[in-house]
Amino acid sequence: NAGVTQTPKFQVLKTGQSMTLQCAQDMNHNSMYWYRQDPGMGLRLIYYSASEGTTDKGEVPNGYNVSRLNKREFSLRLESAAPSQTSVYFCASSERREANEQFFGPGTRLTVL
Amino acid sequence: AQTVTQSQPEMSVQEAETVTLSCTYDTSENNYYLFWYKQPPSRQMILVIRQEAYKQQNATENRFSVNFQKAAKSFSLKISDSQLGDTAMYFCALMNYGGATNKLIFGTGTLLAVQP
Repeated sequence: NAGVTQTPKFQVLKTGQSMTLQCAQDMNHNSMYWYRQDPGMGLRLIYYSASEGTTDKGEVPNGYNVSRLNKREFSLRLESAAPSQTSVYFCASSERREANEQFFGPGTRLTVL
Repeated sequence: AQTVTQSQPEMSVQEAETVTLSCTYDTSENNYYLFWYKQPPSRQMILVIRQEAYKQQNATENRFSVNFQKAAKSFSLKISDSQLGDTAMYFCALMNYGGATNKLIFGTGTLLAVQP
């Protein structure tokens, strides 16, 4: 089991460029999440998907879009990157029962110049 | 609104000693869970310990234990016999459950350095 995988691990963009962060999980989990981590602010939820075919906004959704491609995959798209989106991005997945631990991917460090 | 507060940005402890990391939270829900996650320099988020709010008994996982004070909304993490591998950022997190999905609210983290 690979768990939660993310690609790429590192990325540098110029302002205005677009890109998609990929996330996949092999644990057959229903729920998937995208977080961003900034210094001094912990992890903040961008978008989540409770189940295949559904997505909802989290705490900081502006500037992002997501696609739940199938049960395994949940992608995060930046249409027009801004320096404020420089961050480390984490994908996570979990089951939908109580006390469900969220399993995290290794993260993507994104720099927008 | 649900919030999680970690008031200690950085802490240091000598190897083999005990250290306690503080966390307070606020929620209006009755059903919730609390977690401590560890993030070593590798950046990987690792679950350390979890506490169900309806359980009075404090959770324990080997050298890690919590002091859960529900009335005070306090959830501290105690690390006994600290090891160099415990050096990491530690995040406290709150999860209210019962909705369509269970979202985590994270604190800002405490950077723990274990000194040899």
